[in-house]
Amino acid sequence: DSGVTQTPKHLITATGQRVTLRCSPRSGDLSVYWYQQSLDQGLQFLIQYYNGEERAKGNILERFSAQQFPDLHSELNLSSLELGDSALYFCASSVGAGGTEQYFGPGTRLTVT
Amino acid sequence: QQQVKQSPQSLIVQKGGISIINCAYENTAFDYFPWYQQFPGKGPALLIAIRPDVSEKKEGRFTISFNKSAKQFSLHIMDSQPGDSATYFCAASEASGTYKYIFGTGTRLKVLA
Repeated sequence: DSGVTQTPKHLITATGQRVTLRCSPRSGDLSVYWYQQSLDQGLQFLIQYYNGEERAKGNILERFSAQQFPDLHSELNLSSLELGDSALYFCASSVGAGGTEQYFGPGTRLTVT
Repeated sequence: QQQVKQSPQSLIVQKGGISIINCAYENTAFDYFPWYQQFPGKGPALLIAIRPDVSEKKEGRFTISFNKSAKQFSLHIMDSQPGDSATYFCAASEASGTYKYIFGTGTRLKVLA
């Protein structure tokens, strides 16, 4: 158990809908990273937040957004969902902004029908 | 230039054998190279990591070998066990103020009993 929690574990929704994925980092970690894992794209970095501020962006679609709250939990919002958004979404956390050791949560499996 | 190339895609090893997974990169700014182990339905778990100032790092049965001039690094699993059967990902990141990982495509390892 990495200490990173993610909810929900599974999510099934229809195209065009909006969902919110939640992540709580390990105690003491200030950075949260979001990754998408799909069969054709592998593990792709989406976005990083450090202590409430956006720190880095990767291959995140404009339909996706994230935020980190004062209690350091983070939410990833996915809107106007498409079939191709079906994937595993992981968050990871690290102590600092330059988090060399990132600890991954168990993931949220999103299925868009 | 941001890619990390991982091989082989899959690997079958007899129990007690040595499993070797290779990764190559182009971006010379990468300075942190972790390996992750992922079991089905679970998040990636940090296994071992190396920085380019050392050529080898060993933790238990797991060893990373790093060749800076060739821009290659590899994971060796000694005395492979059936419990090691999992997907292994190499990754790389650079000291640019954030440590977003660029992941390899993964190697599915099966250790036969």
